[in-house]
Amino acid sequence: SQKIEQNSEALNIQEGKTATLTCNYTNYSPAYLQWYRQDPGRGPVFLLLIRENEKEKRKERLKVTFDTTLKQSLFHITASQPADSATYLCALEAGANSKLTFGKGITLSVRP
Amino acid sequence: DGGITQSPKYLFRKEGQNVTLSCEQNLNHDAMYWYRQDPGQGLRLIYYSQIVNDFQKGDIAEGYSVSREKKESFPLTVTSAQKNPTAFYLCASSPSGTGRIGYTFGSGTRLTVV
Repeated sequence: SQKIEQNSEALNIQEGKTATLTCNYTNYSPAYLQWYRQDPGRGPVFLLLIRENEKEKRKERLKVTFDTTLKQSLFHITASQPADSATYLCALEAGANSKLTFGKGITLSVRP
Repeated sequence: DGGITQSPKYLFRKEGQNVTLSCEQNLNHDAMYWYRQDPGQGLRLIYYSQIVNDFQKGDIAEGYSVSREKKESFPLTVTSAQKNPTAFYLCASSPSGTGRIGYTFGSGTRLTVV
């Protein structure tokens, strides 16, 4: 069956360090993979999209990688800040021209 | 400002009642979606619509109904047939019905059965 796995429910790091969040998937062949941020009681906010033919994408302190051989995406936040504390969701297409399927998310806590 | 508006923010339903959650967007997006979020379960797709007057069932459509009479509006009705309706409901939209563009989400409606 198709599955999206985000490697742990919670990640705690010190301010200034790099946070690395993992998204693994099985039985998908997504053309696109997306990352979202969700704060408690709010809707997710789109952060980055990476295509299957792109190895890496950057936006300010954010970096996403996409390895279709390993079926994995890594999401990095460099120089993390307490304001980066939130739940981060990965999402991918279930098939060509189809809707997004979301992972359960990883909750990041950045301590001062 | 363009965006998606969900209302109400909190909703309480008695057993056996139908309730309707509102979702309005002024982004001129063709596609709209309803997701349900439960603790530890992630987002699950209830219904989606890629064009006015057309919609399809998602993974957990039982006990829910929708309509898409206008491009801007995609209301969700939680019927009495939905046995466990307490959850956080999220509406989203995108320019197209594919995963090549990020979705815009509303701020959600928290539904509680009392």
